[in-house]
Amino acid sequence: ETGVTQSPTHLIKTRGQQVTLRCSSQSGHNTVSWYQQALGQGPQFIFQYYREEENGRGNFPPRFSGLQFPNYSSELNVNALELDDSALYLCASSRTSGRAEETQYFGPGTRLLVL
Amino acid sequence: SQQGEEDPQALSIQEGENATMNCSYKTSINNLQWYRQNSGRGLVHLILIRSNEREKHSGRLRVTLDTSKKSSSLLITASRAADTASYFCATVATGGFKTIFGAGTRLFVKA
Repeated sequence: ETGVTQSPTHLIKTRGQQVTLRCSSQSGHNTVSWYQQALGQGPQFIFQYYREEENGRGNFPPRFSGLQFPNYSSELNVNALELDDSALYLCASSRTSGRAEETQYFGPGTRLLVL
Repeated sequence: SQQGEEDPQALSIQEGENATMNCSYKTSINNLQWYRQNSGRGLVHLILIRSNEREKHSGRLRVTLDTSKKSSSLLITASRAADTASYFCATVATGGFKTIFGAGTRLFVKA
């Protein structure tokens, strides 16, 4: 167990809807990163938050947005869902400077299906 | 496109045998990490090797890094059925902030 939790575990939405995924970081961690993992692929970096500010972003459109709260929990919001958004969404927490050099601890993921 | 590329894509071995997976990447890096993932669940961090290190051990795991060839290998010795999983290498480019994963090697260990 990494101490990182995610909710919900599974979710089914229809195209055009909006979804919010949640992540609770490991105690003492101030950085959270979100990843999208399509079936049979490696995780793709969406963005990273450090001390409640977005610290970097991958090649994802603006309809993917996030928040990090003072207790270092985090949300991933996706608007106007598309079929290709169906994937496993992983969050990972880490400590220290906000640079992606330290060990990341992953949650179990939320599996999103868009119909 | 993903920076890390694992080889082979899939590997099937008998319990007790050694498993070797390779990873290649394209740019200079701060560090390289190996992760394991069981059945599409969360990733488990196995080992981190920094750019100034050449070899690292952790239990039955041995990781090597060759920055001149931009490649790394993960060796699992005396494999067990419980080692059946997908294995990913992940890199952070020098001066970068995001972790880039490869597509993974799917390891199947037969009892």
